[in-house]
Amino acid sequence: GEDVEQSLFLSVREGDSSVINCTYTDSSSTYLYWYKQEPGAGLQLLTYIFSNMDMKQDQRLTVLLNKKDKHLSLRIADTQTGDSAIYFCAEKDRRAGGSYIPTFGRGTSLIVHP
Amino acid sequence: DAGITQSPRHKVTETGTPVTLRCHQTENHRYMYWYRQDPGHGLRLIHYSYGVKDTDKGEVSDGYSVSRSKTEDFLLTLESATSSQTSVYFCAISESAEGSDTQYFGPGTRLTVL
Repeated sequence: GEDVEQSLFLSVREGDSSVINCTYTDSSSTYLYWYKQEPGAGLQLLTYIFSNMDMKQDQRLTVLLNKKDKHLSLRIADTQTGDSAIYFCAEKDRRAGGSYIPTFGRGTSLIVHP
Repeated sequence: DAGITQSPRHKVTETGTPVTLRCHQTENHRYMYWYRQDPGHGLRLIHYSYGVKDTDKGEVSDGYSVSRSKTEDFLLTLESATSSQTSVYFCAISESAEGSDTQYFGPGTRLTVL
């Protein structure tokens, strides 16, 4: 079955760049996602990338996809204390019946300290 | 924010009692999902629905049942709660289950089974 792996913790200093990494096993994954979860809240979609892309940039966020190695990363430039949260990687592939149901990683807790 | 509410937001119950969690949406989205979030496991899919009266199992469906009698409501029932079902439960919705479609998450329900 599908498997999505992430490291559990990342600690950075305010103003530095953060890089959160994710690996997945399903080579048929067509869409890969990054979600952010702030304390006590549900998940919010940050960005996604289609599998035929290598990179996607959106303001301070850069997503890199290495399809050969099945590796996805999220870079946050100029990390702020408000970026402290849990970040989830997710992938979608088509299941029986034609639906795309996402599989989530365990989440990476990003801690930003002054 | 997508119009998704969950009720109750917090519940404490005893082993063996039935529990029903409600997810309500105002977006008229076709797909609704129930996930549980546990430390070290990330989000795991319990059940999902692709229309009124149309549901399917996720990866951790044992001990749970769902019902969807109206587009806007998706109910998750624990027929006889166990301590292993202590968790935070998230509802999500999406317009379709196409690869590019985004899931929107509710605020979560924290359930404690004593």
